[in-house]
Parts: sequence; C-alpha cells; structure tokens
Amino acid sequence: EAGVTQFPSHSVIEKGQTVTLRCDPISGHDNLYWYRRVMGKEIKFLLHFVKESKQDESGMPNNRFLAERTGGTYSTLKVQPAELEDSGVYFCASSSRLAGIYNEQFFGPGTRLTVL
Amino acid sequence: GEDVEQSLFLSVREGDSSVINCTYTDSSSTYLYWYKQEPGAGLQLLTYIFSNMDMKQDQRLTVLLNKKDKHLSLRIADTQTGDSAIYFCAETPRGGKLIFGQGTELSVKP
Repeated sequence: EAGVTQFPSHSVIEKGQTVTLRCDPISGHDNLYWYRRVMGKEIKFLLHFVKESKQDESGMPNNRFLAERTGGTYSTLKVQPAELEDSGVYFCASSSRLAGIYNEQFFGPGTRLTVL
Repeated sequence: GEDVEQSLFLSVREGDSSVINCTYTDSSSTYLYWYKQEPGAGLQLLTYIFSNMDMKQDQRLTVLLNKKDKHLSLRIADTQTGDSAIYFCAETPRGGKLIFGQGTELSVKP
C-alpha cells in the first residue's frame, strides 16, 4: 500500500510569487491534515479535512493560504503571494475514520519551501 | 494554552540509554505520542500511550507518563546509531489535530 505522498519535495520561489503544494493521502483515508515546521521550531497544525469538508482550519496563518480537497481525495495548499516567513517544511498526514480508537496519522515526507 | 516543550538536543554514546523528556499542557489529551523523523523522511509514529496508563514498554522503548506533572518521557535502551533522528512528542487535546513539541535531536556517537 502506498503511503502519503507530497509534491514537490522542494520548492524555491521569490517573495510575491505563488506556490501550490500537493498531497496524496493513503487511499481510503477520509482525514487529511496539513502541518508546517518553520525554522526548526515545533510542527504546527494548519488544517484538517474530513473528506472534502474543512473540519478545522484554526491553524491557517492568514488569507494568503488556501487549501482545497475537491472530491475528497488529494489536497492542494496554495500560498499566494508568498512571504519570507512562509519558508519551512509543509507536512501532510492522513488517517482513517476506522483506525481504531486512537488517531494514528501517517505522514508524508514533506515539502521544503524556501521563499527568497 | 497549547504548548508542548522538549529539550532541543541530546547526545549519547552507542549502547547507552537515551531519555527524551516532554511536558505538555492539556490534561484532556486522551493519547500522547512519540514520533520519529529520520533525515529526509516524514514523521513515523514510534509509540503512543493512553492517558490512563503510567508506563508502556515496547522492546527497547519505554514510555513513562506522569499526568499530575504533565510529563512524558521516552527511554531508548541500548541506543544505536540508527536511532539518530529528531523525536517529537505530541498530544491531541481536541479533535484530530496533533500538538507537537519542538523536537529533540538525538545524536548517537559510536
């Protein structure tokens, strides 16, 4: 079974440009999460989809970030326009609604975003 | 608040035990987790503990939970060079999202 995949693995853009990150969760996983780790600090939650619906977007930093999950499969996270402080590693994770009584989230390898 | 605190670095010699500590803030968390991130890889769930347990052992790993002090620790026995990685503790106070600490970078010297 394929794990969570993310594309691209690295992205280097200039301030003011737009970048779109993609996450493909494990097939059949209804829950999809985005997280971000900035400058070696803690990994911070951004948002949580259940299927195509946004369950919790309390961690989204501002309206320059737009996440979508059309059809409840893969998800995209667009940053427009990108700022220097958006640099970091963006992780995606997925979990199954039927995954027992604890919510094991399976993580992708992350996308390293550098804004110059 | 939602703060999970960890020390940033730990260096041990191969064969020694490693102890990574974590303090968390929300006593309502049902589960507490330890994730491992190897270089260039995503986070991998290492182990977890249910909040009504004090201890959980899984081969070389021992998790201790002190709910009164909101303190969680991960002990790795007979640490190997392959254990070198960043270790994150995490809690789930509300819903599915994970609240992570800053990560402890474990360096194992031969």
